[in-house]
Amino acid sequence: QVQLVESGGGVVQPGRSLRLSCAASGFTFNSQGMHWVRQAPGKGLEWVTGIWYDGSKEYYVDSVKGRFTISRDNSKNTLYLQMNSLRAEDTAVYYCAKGEEGLDSWGQGTLVTVSS
Amino acid sequence: DIQMTQSPSSLSASVGDTVTITCRASQGISNYLAWFQQKPGTAPTSLIYATSSLQSGVPSKFSGSGSGTDFTLTISSLQPEDFATYYCQQYNSYPWTFGQGTKVEIK
Repeated sequence: QVQLVESGGGVVQPGRSLRLSCAASGFTFNSQGMHWVRQAPGKGLEWVTGIWYDGSKEYYVDSVKGRFTISRDNSKNTLYLQMNSLRAEDTAVYYCAKGEEGLDSWGQGTLVTVSS
Repeated sequence: DIQMTQSPSSLSASVGDTVTITCRASQGISNYLAWFQQKPGTAPTSLIYATSSLQSGVPSKFSGSGSGTDFTLTISSLQPEDFATYYCQQYNSYPWTFGQGTKVEIK
């Protein structure tokens, strides 16, 4: 079955960087678009970024453009999110999700806390 | 960006009831609309994609309809496990956007 396992979350100071990873299994990773969605504590869902199956196109929500970079390694079945210049408002659980028609499978999430 | 507005923000219902949640897009999104269920402390799960297509394994008590800008999620014969927060999401254009969520609580 599909498994998406995020890692790399933690506590980081404002202005610092963090890289999240999402290990995928149970499906043909190199044929699926992949995404990151976040959820601030007590808040709703926010789509953050997505990448095409082959990595040729990336999309971002305005609030992270120029600070976050999505990438993938299809040889390792792994999705990444490089987060630079982190701000307090980036504090959230970050989920990776797969899908072309919406987001059909989600990981369990990893918590990122930006605090001094 | 396309704004998604759900109504109501919350509702109270009894076991066995049928409930309907509405989602409105700020511009036309064809049928590129999905619905998700989220229970406290857990990841969202996909219920419906393309407005009315059920994800594999999702019971037929969940149904979706609509097109253009107005969409609905209907849950029939509510059971205790259906009490959760529901989100709509458009994937017609980037950035993809979610509604603010509708919390379905037990009356």
